[in-house]
Amino acid sequence: GAGVSQSPSNKVTEKGKDVELRCDPISGHTALYWYRQSLGQGLEFLIYFQGNSAPDKSGLPSDRFSAERTGGSVSTLTIQRTQQEDSAVYLCASSLAPSPGQGSGGYTFGSGTRLTVV
Amino acid sequence: QQQVKQSPQSLIVQKGGIPIINCAYENTAFDYFPWYQQFPGKGPALLIAIRPDVSEKKEGRFTISFNKSAKQFSLHIMDSQPGDSATYFCAAGSGNTGKLIFGQGTTLQVKP
Repeated sequence: GAGVSQSPSNKVTEKGKDVELRCDPISGHTALYWYRQSLGQGLEFLIYFQGNSAPDKSGLPSDRFSAERTGGSVSTLTIQRTQQEDSAVYLCASSLAPSPGQGSGGYTFGSGTRLTVV
Repeated sequence: QQQVKQSPQSLIVQKGGIPIINCAYENTAFDYFPWYQQFPGKGPALLIAIRPDVSEKKEGRFTISFNKSAKQFSLHIMDSQPGDSATYFCAAGSGNTGKLIFGQGTTLQVKP
């Protein structure tokens, strides 16, 4: 597609439920990133996939968070047993270059999934 | 060492003014410094980026100034317009980090 597509755009869930957030990157982009943006806060890194390499999971806040990327394309971020503090906008980005600064260097972000845990 | 500190948190200027947003970093391995612009309900979009081999880069009304020795960089918006009202994020990264580290964001309002 022309851009990074994320679904759903909004998700309201009850505390304790599991949620899955989907990201469809730009075709051919080898790098895929998940970030979290809480109200009035910056972008918090969660996880990074690059090709067939092991993902960089160093930003995942707890073992309730996991992500996978199937076939080097679509990625799913799963949050188990959601808590109210998980409420945030979850942003996915993809990049043609394997790491920042290479090639054009820029990320293309999706519009995000706004998660509300009630 | 992985942090990028951004200031101010919010900024209000009159149309035609020159808002300046500042960022500081600690990790000397960073070699790529982009700025992103985000409008409500949208994801951030790349605005302009600089590498440490130059001290300034201009693209249209947007200028990045880079001070390698001070480990600081800033965004200047010339002749600001109400349409520039948005949240701006600085970031830093390198081939070693494999990812961008973002500042906390600055909400800019340009009054008509």
